[in-house]
Amino acid sequence: SQQGEEDPQALSIQEGENATMNCSYKTSINNLQWYRQNSGRGLVHLILIRSNEREKHSGRLRVTLDTSKKSSSLLITASRAADTASYFCATPSTKLVFGQGTRLTINP
Amino acid sequence: EPEVTQTPSHQVTQMGQEVILRCVPISNHLYFYWYRQILGQKVEFLVSFYNNEISEKSEIFDDQFSVERPDGSNFTLKIRSTKLEDSAMYFCASSYTSGGGELFFGEGSRLTVL
Repeated sequence: SQQGEEDPQALSIQEGENATMNCSYKTSINNLQWYRQNSGRGLVHLILIRSNEREKHSGRLRVTLDTSKKSSSLLITASRAADTASYFCATPSTKLVFGQGTRLTINP
Repeated sequence: EPEVTQTPSHQVTQMGQEVILRCVPISNHLYFYWYRQILGQKVEFLVSFYNNEISEKSEIFDDQFSVERPDGSNFTLKIRSTKLEDSAMYFCASSYTSGGGELFFGEGSRLTVL
């Protein structure tokens, strides 16, 4: 299965703190993608990291990839209330398969 | 910014009725997808579509489901005879490439089967 598994399942932090979410996968990959889903809305692509990259930044997002451990992490710095959402990783093959995600709650 | 649009946003139907959910993918995209999310559960892959035919489908996508691209812009999901368990959010997505490209999702169509 190409499905990524996110950890933790739920994370609650105070506004301004950093949030770190992890993803593990099982097979070799070309890239790994992170998506966000606000409650009841569609998924939004956040960032794609290729298998030959170790770290990538986009605004307040920082993604790392360790292909030897088959794991990735998503760090959101200086969190805001608007970051409250579910976050998913996906490792595509012919399709994207999503795990249960990490439900992130930012408390004001 | 181009976006994937879906209609209707919410549809309520009686069990056994046919439902068609519509999607307008991003215009230069070539690969189209339907996903489903039952309330409180994960987003599940239903079907992918390329070059006017199904590329891949999941075990959820049984004979009650069909997809079509009737013209150059719309991509539809039909459920022939709805069941209570078909109640879910249905998301359409499109991408320019397959096998690893970024997916662009619509906001979803909420289907409620009574």
